[in-house]
Amino acid sequence: RKEVEQDPGPFNVPEGATVAFNCTYSNSASQSFFWYRQDCRKEPKLLMSVYSSGNEDGRFTAQLNRASQYISLLIRDSKLSDSATYLCVIEAPNTGFQKLVFGTGTRLLVSP
Amino acid sequence: NAGVMQNPRHLVRRRGQEARLRCSPMKGHSHVYWYRQLPEEGLKFMVYLQKENIIDESGMPKERFSAEFPKEGPSILRIQQVVRGDSAAYFCASSTRGQDNYGYTFGSGTRLTVV
Repeated sequence: RKEVEQDPGPFNVPEGATVAFNCTYSNSASQSFFWYRQDCRKEPKLLMSVYSSGNEDGRFTAQLNRASQYISLLIRDSKLSDSATYLCVIEAPNTGFQKLVFGTGTRLLVSP
Repeated sequence: NAGVMQNPRHLVRRRGQEARLRCSPMKGHSHVYWYRQLPEEGLKFMVYLQKENIIDESGMPKERFSAEFPKEGPSILRIQQVVRGDSAAYFCASSTRGQDNYGYTFGSGTRLTVV
């Protein structure tokens, strides 16, 4: 089983739509979780950290369900510029440093 | 205040040649991480270095790959006798300390193509 699993998509949505991505992770000892965004042929950029209480940053909401080992990202009022690949990322536990484990990403295409 | 700088952006090597990828961390950062992204795959951790020390190289292939972060100058990821399967994007990140909870910032990467 992969450490981090995501639906690769693509998710095709019109502008203004709400879209949600899910991600599951296998190591229950993981403590830190993130969503990164990666544009085509560019570096991944940190979108937001994910906290147990859930957190929101503008149109983006991230949630963590530790019992189900499940992370989600909700994007409201999608913009064309949201088109990208969204990477679910966990911190590998018990390594003594921030070793990140990346999912393969979910591709989002927002159309006019 | 420059971010993480990687060069070259693109590198083409013939099979059997050596590839040297450079990473200059953000100012004040003494921890460097290298990740590799093969085509259509997620990023995979390769190595974590502090100045003059390799802390964790559990993600490095056993042969042909080496990394260093000297006291002066950039971190270098070196691939000897490259093969087609080494073609990938190599990303570097840096931080002020190893144990951070905020994710880290990547450089723009080096795209290695082996022909």
